Amino acid sequence: DAMVIQNPRYQVTQFGKPVTLSCSQTLNHNVMYWYQQKSSQAPKLLFHYYDKDFNNEADTPDNFQSRRPNTSFCFLDIRSPGLGDAAMYLCATSRASGNQPQHFGDGTRLSIL
Amino acid sequence: GENVEQHPSTLSVQEGDSAVIKCTYSDSASNYFPWYKQELGKRPQLIIDIRSNVGEKKDQRIAVTLNKTAKHFSLHITETQPEDSAVYFCAASRDGQNFVFGPGTRLSVLP
Repeated sequence: DAMVIQNPRYQVTQFGKPVTLSCSQTLNHNVMYWYQQKSSQAPKLLFHYYDKDFNNEADTPDNFQSRRPNTSFCFLDIRSPGLGDAAMYLCATSRASGNQPQHFGDGTRLSIL
Repeated sequence: GENVEQHPSTLSVQEGDSAVIKCTYSDSASNYFPWYKQELGKRPQLIIDIRSNVGEKKDQRIAVTLNKTAKHFSLHITETQPEDSAVYFCAASRDGQNFVFGPGTRLSVLP
């Protein structure tokens, strides 16, 4: 009964080879987030969508992009992954009204060869 | 923008003792404060949250207190158990859309 689903759980790609991570939700939440988390650190927000409005964090590298084709799905595209992009990528959703918590997916662990 | 600090970064307690983790925030407009527990290799999971219109909230062994004047909030875990061992993150939000996380506290409960 997972409500925020990320695929795949583990992804291996080669240095410089584009990769796409996916996230879907059954909560009908209007906000979807992508976080990067490296070991022993707090999740770092990359960007989020409020409905169709895209909000990029100032320090998110241009290498990272996102698409949200509909309410349920959101994708993280890494155009040319470098070794420093190896991390856990977490997708989260929230309702963004009435101060509701974020709901996280299980994450995709990305390895770069 | 909002800045959230969290202390301590690591905390070890004996099983059965209490654990307290403190967070401070900078934006006086922040009005929602969730706490997340993240076990190794797993997703952050909400354990308790508090809104700025209350000063304390309790759920079994877990409680959160909020001091709006001092801009700090704390997580209290009583009668700790080994399964409480995890990394705990506090967060603050002013609009329910933008969340700022603290750097995390690694809690170890020793048997």
